[in-house]
Amino acid sequence: GAVVSQHPSWVICKSGTSVKIECRSLDFQATTMFWYRQFPKQSLMLMATSNEGSKATYEQGVEKDKFLINHASLTLSTLTVTSAHPEDSSFYICSAVSGRLERTDTQYFGPGTRLTVL
Amino acid sequence: QKEVEQDPGPLSVPEGAIVSLNCTYSNSAFQYFMWYRQYSRKGPELLMYTYSSGNKEDGRFTAQVDKSSKYISLFIRDSQPSDSATYLCAMSDNTGTASKLTFGTGTRLQVTL
Repeated sequence: GAVVSQHPSWVICKSGTSVKIECRSLDFQATTMFWYRQFPKQSLMLMATSNEGSKATYEQGVEKDKFLINHASLTLSTLTVTSAHPEDSSFYICSAVSGRLERTDTQYFGPGTRLTVL
Repeated sequence: QKEVEQDPGPLSVPEGAIVSLNCTYSNSAFQYFMWYRQYSRKGPELLMYTYSSGNKEDGRFTAQVDKSSKYISLFIRDSQPSDSATYLCAMSDNTGTASKLTFGTGTRLQVTL
Protein backbone atom coordinates (compact mmCIF):
# COMPACT_ATOMS: atom_id res chain seq x y z
CA GLY A 1 0.00 0.00 0.00
CA ALA A 2 0.88 3.67 -0.18
CA VAL A 3 3.41 4.77 2.39
CA VAL A 4 3.96 8.23 3.78
CA SER A 5 6.96 9.00 5.93
CA GLN A 6 7.75 11.91 8.19
CA HIS A 7 11.07 13.12 9.45
CA PRO A 8 11.98 13.60 12.18
CA SER A 9 9.67 11.43 14.28
CA TRP A 10 10.34 13.61 17.28
CA VAL A 11 12.24 16.82 17.92
CA ILE A 12 13.08 18.94 20.91
CA CYS A 13 14.13 22.53 20.35
CA LYS A 14 14.68 25.74 22.25
CA SER A 15 12.17 28.54 22.21
CA GLY A 16 12.79 30.96 19.36
CA THR A 17 14.37 28.45 16.99
CA SER A 18 12.87 27.12 13.77
CA VAL A 19 12.07 23.49 13.07
CA LYS A 20 11.51 21.84 9.71
CA ILE A 21 9.38 18.72 9.34
CA GLU A 22 9.40 16.68 6.13
CA CYS A 23 6.55 14.64 4.72
CA ARG A 24 7.31 12.24 1.88
CA SER A 25 5.14 9.96 -0.22
CA LEU A 26 7.40 6.98 -0.79
CA ASP A 27 5.72 5.05 -3.59
CA PHE A 28 3.29 7.46 -5.21
CA GLN A 29 3.10 11.03 -6.38
CA ALA A 30 1.08 13.29 -4.14
CA THR A 31 -0.54 16.28 -5.75
CA THR A 32 -2.07 17.29 -2.45
CA MET A 33 -0.80 17.00 1.09
CA PHE A 34 -2.53 18.04 4.29
CA TRP A 35 -0.90 19.14 7.53
CA TYR A 36 -2.63 18.48 10.84
CA ARG A 37 -1.85 19.26 14.43
CA GLN A 38 -3.00 17.09 17.32
CA PHE A 39 -2.81 18.20 20.94
CA PRO A 40 -3.09 15.57 23.70
CA LYS A 41 -6.59 14.14 23.99
CA GLN A 42 -7.81 16.40 21.21
CA SER A 43 -8.83 15.99 17.58
CA LEU A 44 -6.57 16.20 14.59
CA MET A 45 -6.97 19.79 13.48
CA LEU A 46 -6.30 20.66 9.86
CA MET A 47 -3.72 23.41 9.56
CA ALA A 48 -3.26 23.74 5.83
CA THR A 49 -3.68 22.15 2.44
CA SER A 50 -0.56 21.96 0.32
CA ASN A 51 -0.68 21.59 -3.46
CA GLU A 52 2.43 20.86 -5.48
CA GLY A 53 3.79 23.94 -7.14
CA SER A 54 1.41 26.42 -5.57
CA LYS A 55 0.93 28.26 -2.31
CA ALA A 56 -0.61 26.41 0.60
CA THR A 57 -4.13 27.18 1.77
CA TYR A 58 -4.26 27.80 5.51
CA GLU A 59 -7.20 27.19 7.79
CA GLN A 60 -8.68 30.04 9.76
CA GLY A 61 -6.60 30.90 12.79
CA VAL A 62 -3.37 29.33 11.48
CA GLU A 63 -0.58 31.86 11.01
CA LYS A 64 0.91 31.34 7.57
CA ASP A 65 4.02 33.34 8.43
CA LYS A 66 4.67 31.11 11.42
CA PHE A 67 3.94 27.77 9.78
CA LEU A 68 5.69 27.84 6.43
CA ILE A 69 4.68 25.12 4.00
CA ASN A 70 6.55 24.20 0.85
CA HIS A 71 5.41 21.53 -1.60
CA ALA A 72 8.19 21.72 -4.13
CA SER A 73 7.86 18.24 -5.60
CA LEU A 74 5.21 15.56 -6.01
CA THR A 75 6.75 13.49 -3.22
CA LEU A 76 7.81 16.06 -0.65
CA SER A 77 6.13 18.70 1.45
CA THR A 78 7.80 20.51 4.33
CA LEU A 79 6.38 22.34 7.31
CA THR A 80 8.65 24.84 9.04
CA VAL A 81 7.65 26.11 12.45
CA THR A 82 9.38 29.47 12.72
CA SER A 83 10.35 31.03 16.04
CA ALA A 84 8.83 28.12 17.90
CA HIS A 85 7.36 28.65 21.37
CA PRO A 86 6.25 26.16 24.02
CA GLU A 87 2.61 26.51 22.94
CA ASP A 88 3.64 25.11 19.54
CA SER A 89 4.51 21.81 21.19
CA SER A 90 2.24 19.26 19.58
CA PHE A 91 1.99 16.22 17.34
CA TYR A 92 2.21 17.27 13.70
CA ILE A 93 0.94 14.80 11.15
CA CYS A 94 0.71 14.96 7.39
CA SER A 95 -1.36 13.10 4.87
CA ALA A 96 -0.88 12.68 1.14
CA VAL A 97 -3.34 12.20 -1.69
CA SER A 98 -2.59 10.94 -5.16
CA GLY A 99 -4.21 12.25 -8.28
CA ARG A 100 -7.32 14.33 -8.34
CA LEU A 101 -9.51 15.12 -5.35
CA GLU A 102 -12.06 12.47 -6.11
CA ARG A 103 -14.08 10.29 -3.80
CA THR A 104 -12.04 7.23 -4.53
CA ASP A 105 -8.78 8.89 -3.58
CA THR A 106 -7.57 8.19 -0.12
CA GLN A 107 -5.61 10.23 2.37
CA TYR A 108 -2.55 8.27 3.46
CA PHE A 109 -1.25 9.49 6.78
CA GLY A 110 2.32 9.75 7.95
CA PRO A 111 3.39 8.51 11.39
CA GLY A 112 3.55 12.01 12.83
CA THR A 113 6.24 14.21 14.35
CA ARG A 114 6.20 15.07 18.02
CA LEU A 115 7.55 18.58 18.60
CA THR A 116 8.55 19.74 22.07
CA VAL A 117 9.63 23.35 22.49
CA LEU A 118 11.48 24.12 25.69
CA GLN B 1 -20.01 23.24 20.57
CA LYS B 2 -17.61 21.04 18.64
CA GLU B 3 -18.66 20.04 15.15
CA VAL B 4 -17.92 16.38 15.94
CA GLU B 5 -18.32 14.84 19.38
CA GLN B 6 -16.72 11.55 20.33
CA ASP B 7 -16.31 9.96 23.75
CA PRO B 8 -12.56 9.72 24.39
CA GLY B 9 -12.88 6.62 26.55
CA PRO B 10 -10.89 4.64 27.42
CA LEU B 11 -13.12 1.72 26.61
CA SER B 12 -11.99 -1.66 27.93
CA VAL B 13 -13.60 -4.87 26.70
CA PRO B 14 -12.72 -8.57 26.92
CA GLU B 15 -11.53 -10.44 23.86
CA GLY B 16 -14.43 -11.62 21.73
CA ALA B 17 -16.79 -8.83 22.78
CA ILE B 18 -18.75 -6.65 20.37
CA VAL B 19 -17.50 -3.07 20.50
CA SER B 20 -19.65 -0.07 19.70
CA LEU B 21 -17.99 3.26 18.96
CA ASN B 22 -20.01 6.37 18.24
CA CYS B 23 -19.83 9.96 17.05
CA THR B 24 -22.37 12.72 16.80
CA TYR B 25 -22.09 15.77 14.62
CA SER B 26 -23.82 19.09 14.24
CA ASN B 27 -22.96 20.14 10.69
CA SER B 28 -25.70 18.90 8.36
CA ALA B 29 -23.40 19.57 5.39
CA PHE B 30 -21.31 16.51 6.25
CA GLN B 31 -22.02 13.87 3.65
CA TYR B 32 -19.05 11.50 3.87
CA PHE B 33 -18.12 9.59 6.97
CA MET B 34 -14.97 7.69 7.80
CA TRP B 35 -13.49 5.66 10.60
CA TYR B 36 -9.74 5.60 11.15
CA ARG B 37 -7.67 3.44 13.45
CA GLN B 38 -4.59 4.97 15.03
CA TYR B 39 -2.03 2.90 16.89
CA SER B 40 0.26 4.63 19.35
CA ARG B 41 2.85 6.82 17.60
CA LYS B 42 1.46 5.92 14.17
CA GLY B 43 -0.58 7.74 11.59
CA PRO B 44 -4.32 7.09 11.19
CA GLU B 45 -5.29 4.19 8.93
CA LEU B 46 -8.59 4.26 7.05
CA LEU B 47 -10.92 1.47 8.15
CA MET B 48 -14.32 2.32 6.73
CA TYR B 49 -15.80 4.89 4.40
CA THR B 50 -19.53 5.50 4.03
CA TYR B 51 -21.71 7.98 2.22
CA SER B 52 -25.34 7.12 2.62
CA SER B 53 -27.40 6.37 5.69
CA GLY B 54 -27.49 2.72 6.60
CA ASN B 55 -24.97 -0.01 7.27
CA LYS B 56 -21.75 -0.99 5.55
CA GLU B 57 -19.95 -4.16 6.50
CA ASP B 58 -16.32 -5.16 5.97
CA GLY B 59 -15.22 -8.29 7.75
CA ARG B 60 -15.56 -7.81 11.48
CA PHE B 61 -16.32 -4.10 11.07
CA THR B 62 -19.71 -2.52 10.44
CA ALA B 63 -20.17 1.20 9.94
CA GLN B 64 -23.59 2.70 10.50
CA VAL B 65 -24.78 6.17 9.54
CA ASP B 66 -27.99 7.87 10.60
CA LYS B 67 -28.05 11.27 8.94
CA SER B 68 -31.42 12.19 10.39
CA SER B 69 -29.99 11.90 13.90
CA LYS B 70 -26.50 13.06 12.90
CA TYR B 71 -25.08 9.94 14.48
CA ILE B 72 -22.55 7.42 13.22
CA SER B 73 -21.30 4.19 14.71
CA LEU B 74 -18.58 1.62 14.20
CA PHE B 75 -19.17 -1.91 15.43
CA ILE B 76 -16.34 -4.39 15.87
CA ARG B 77 -17.34 -8.05 16.21
CA ASP B 78 -15.20 -10.69 17.87
CA SER B 79 -12.77 -8.06 19.13
CA GLN B 80 -9.12 -9.02 19.34
CA PRO B 81 -6.23 -7.64 21.41
CA SER B 82 -4.78 -6.36 18.12
CA ASP B 83 -7.83 -4.09 17.83
CA SER B 84 -6.52 -2.11 20.80
CA ALA B 85 -5.99 1.37 19.39
CA THR B 86 -7.59 4.79 19.17
CA TYR B 87 -10.51 4.99 16.76
CA LEU B 88 -11.19 8.30 15.11
CA CYS B 89 -14.33 9.27 13.27
CA ALA B 90 -13.92 11.80 10.49
CA MET B 91 -16.34 13.65 8.25
CA SER B 92 -16.33 15.70 5.11
CA ASP B 93 -18.78 17.85 3.23
CA ASN B 94 -16.91 17.43 -0.03
CA THR B 95 -15.61 14.77 -2.32
CA GLY B 96 -14.88 12.00 0.13
CA THR B 97 -11.71 10.86 1.80
CA ALA B 98 -9.41 13.10 -0.20
CA SER B 99 -11.02 16.35 0.87
CA LYS B 100 -10.71 18.28 4.13
CA LEU B 101 -11.67 16.17 7.07
CA THR B 102 -13.09 17.09 10.47
CA PHE B 103 -12.09 14.58 13.12
CA GLY B 104 -13.53 13.51 16.44
CA THR B 105 -11.21 13.37 19.43
CA GLY B 106 -10.86 9.59 19.11
CA THR B 107 -11.93 6.78 21.43
CA ARG B 108 -9.18 4.72 23.00
CA LEU B 109 -10.07 1.02 22.94
CA GLN B 110 -8.37 -1.67 24.99
CA VAL B 111 -9.22 -5.31 24.29
CA THR B 112 -8.06 -7.55 27.10
CA LEU B 113 -7.30 -11.26 27.07
